Amino acid sequence: AQSVTQLGSHVSVSEGALVLLRCNYSSSVPPYLFWYVQYPNQGLQLLLKYTTGATLVKGINGFEAEFKKSETSFHLTKPSAHMSDAAEYFCAVSDRDSSASKIIFGSGTRLSIRP
Amino acid sequence: EAQVTQNPRYLITVTGKKLTVTCSQNMNHEYMSWYRQDPGLGLRQIYYSMNVEVTDKGDVPEGYKVSRKEKRNFPLILESPSPNQTSLYFCASSAHLRWDEQFFGPGTRLTVL
Repeated sequence: AQSVTQLGSHVSVSEGALVLLRCNYSSSVPPYLFWYVQYPNQGLQLLLKYTTGATLVKGINGFEAEFKKSETSFHLTKPSAHMSDAAEYFCAVSDRDSSASKIIFGSGTRLSIRP
Repeated sequence: EAQVTQNPRYLITVTGKKLTVTCSQNMNHEYMSWYRQDPGLGLRQIYYSMNVEVTDKGDVPEGYKVSRKEKRNFPLILESPSPNQTSLYFCASSAHLRWDEQFFGPGTRLTVL
């Protein structure tokens, strides 16, 4: 069964530093891949997604993610962290198989930004 | 404005007292889903619906019911809530279930005493 792993339940970086949030999936056939962000007391919103084509995907708020088939990874990065990036981030996957019926979410990574 | 609305946002109830959490979307999406969010577990799907009158179980359906009588509405029903259903609940909708963005409601924080 498809699964998704986010390494690190909590990541803390200084303002202006590189943000790197890790996500690995388990299937041999690359799934559809998503990153969602959840700000305090809000629902999730899409940051970016990979369905096909270019493996480097750019999203909102300066985030980007690179799909690496050989590493079964879809890590999220941002060159320079801002205080407003403090939130919880979820990686999610969805099988390309036509019988699939759901998106599977990782357990989340809470990002803290130090002044 | 495209949105998913949920009501109530906060609810405290007692064991066994039936409750309904409403969900409505204004984007004409066919696919709707309910999730619960618990610390360290991410989001887990409870039920989903691919269209009117078409619903199916997700990963954690026990103790929940849903209905989809209209395209825009997808209520979550807890017939006899128990303390282990204390959680944060999200409704979501999307145009397609696998590759489209899911639009989430603001969440309903439920406490069952």
